[in-house]
Amino acid sequence: GAVVSQHPSRVICKSGTSVKIECRSLDFQATTMFWYRQFPKQSLMLMATSNEGSKATYEQGVEKDKFLINHASLTLSTLTVTSAHPEDSSFYICSAKDRRNTEAFFGQGTRLTVV
Amino acid sequence: AQSVTQLGSHVSVSEGALVLLRCNYSSSVPPYLFWYVQYPNQGLQLLLKYTTGATLVKGINGFEAEFKKSETSFHLTKPSAHMSDAAEYFCAVGTGGYQKVTFGIGTKLQVIP
Repeated sequence: GAVVSQHPSRVICKSGTSVKIECRSLDFQATTMFWYRQFPKQSLMLMATSNEGSKATYEQGVEKDKFLINHASLTLSTLTVTSAHPEDSSFYICSAKDRRNTEAFFGQGTRLTVV
Repeated sequence: AQSVTQLGSHVSVSEGALVLLRCNYSSSVPPYLFWYVQYPNQGLQLLLKYTTGATLVKGINGFEAEFKKSETSFHLTKPSAHMSDAAEYFCAVGTGGYQKVTFGIGTKLQVIP
């Protein structure tokens, strides 16, 4: 299957700082990328969908000024958590698909801890 | 609108026993259905998917699922559980082209030696 690489796998940051998470498709062109947040013992909640070259579409309740998503190329999307607070601590997962696929491929996830 | 219900947040089976993880869905359009597996602190790996055609879908690691429209179900099965199957399993429903996929709450599978 196609490979999606997410980096970093773990990050600890101080409250008030910003953190950038990268999601790369290694062997296909990701026309669409999805960003999810997963709380402990809960399912994945879709935060936003981004299409290459377009602004991301955020789900209801997700602050677009806090969770900045950039999808400037067909192989890279980034999620920046701005002015992070402890309640932003969570597991963030990206997935990506190309134009043809009926499935998306997931990155390994990023465990964010804000202290 | 679409939703997924996974019955049983925790399922325990003995090694070698049948694995049955239940998933029911609702969808206003013909659904695309997925089962994913997640190991601790990792992303999701696709086990199998149903889009159209044959309703019995075979996936990786010996898993299979059957799409039953009349029951709005897509239960995941494996004839004989292995210790390495211990993980969390997510059922998901989407529409064509993998748009707006909704995940269930997940079922944690424990395999007892």
